[in-house]
Amino acid sequence: QKEVEQNSGPLSVPEGAIASLNCTYSDRVSQSFFWYRQYSGKSPELIMSIYSNGDKEDGRFTAQLNKASQYVSLLIRDSQPSDSATYLCAVNIKGNFNKFYFGSGTKLNVKP
Amino acid sequence: DAGVIQSPRHEVTEMGQEVTLRCKPISGHNSLFWYRQTMMRGLELLIYFNNNVPIDDSGMPEDRFSAKMPNASFSTLKIQPSEPRDSAVYFCASSRQYGGNTIYFGEGSWLTVV
Repeated sequence: QKEVEQNSGPLSVPEGAIASLNCTYSDRVSQSFFWYRQYSGKSPELIMSIYSNGDKEDGRFTAQLNKASQYVSLLIRDSQPSDSATYLCAVNIKGNFNKFYFGSGTKLNVKP
Repeated sequence: DAGVIQSPRHEVTEMGQEVTLRCKPISGHNSLFWYRQTMMRGLELLIYFNNNVPIDDSGMPEDRFSAKMPNASFSTLKIQPSEPRDSAVYFCASSRQYGGNTIYFGEGSWLTVV
């Protein structure tokens, strides 16, 4: 089983709708969680990080973490065509050294 | 501040040739990662270094792949001999050492082996 699982999509939403992206992870000692956005032909760029249970909001983006259920989600409000990209979930394993595991990504299409 | 710098950005090489990819991490970051991304397998961690020391190379696919980090500002990933199935985008990324810190990616090296 992979450490991080995501639905590959594509997830299609109309412009202005809320896009909901989900991610589950298998390691109970995962400490930190990240969402990256990757446009076609580009490198992943960080959107949000979350460390504690609950919600974290940043503009149109909200990350939600539930450690008991081992899932993390990303909500994008008022979706725009420019949000069309692949969204990668990443978890950082607790320990003395950094080790990041990435999901395979969910492709989001926002239709005008 | 400059981001993670990778070279070359694009390389096309013939099967059997040696390929060397280079990376300069962000200054002050002491963790460095090499990832490979393909459509089929997504983003795979190949190897990562901490303070120039390889910590985990379990993702390196086979002996044809090797990585070095001779100092804090430079790392190489070498493939010898290259094969068509090595065609992928290779990303270098860096972060500060302790858990919880974000990793930042370079723009990637697009490798095609024909």
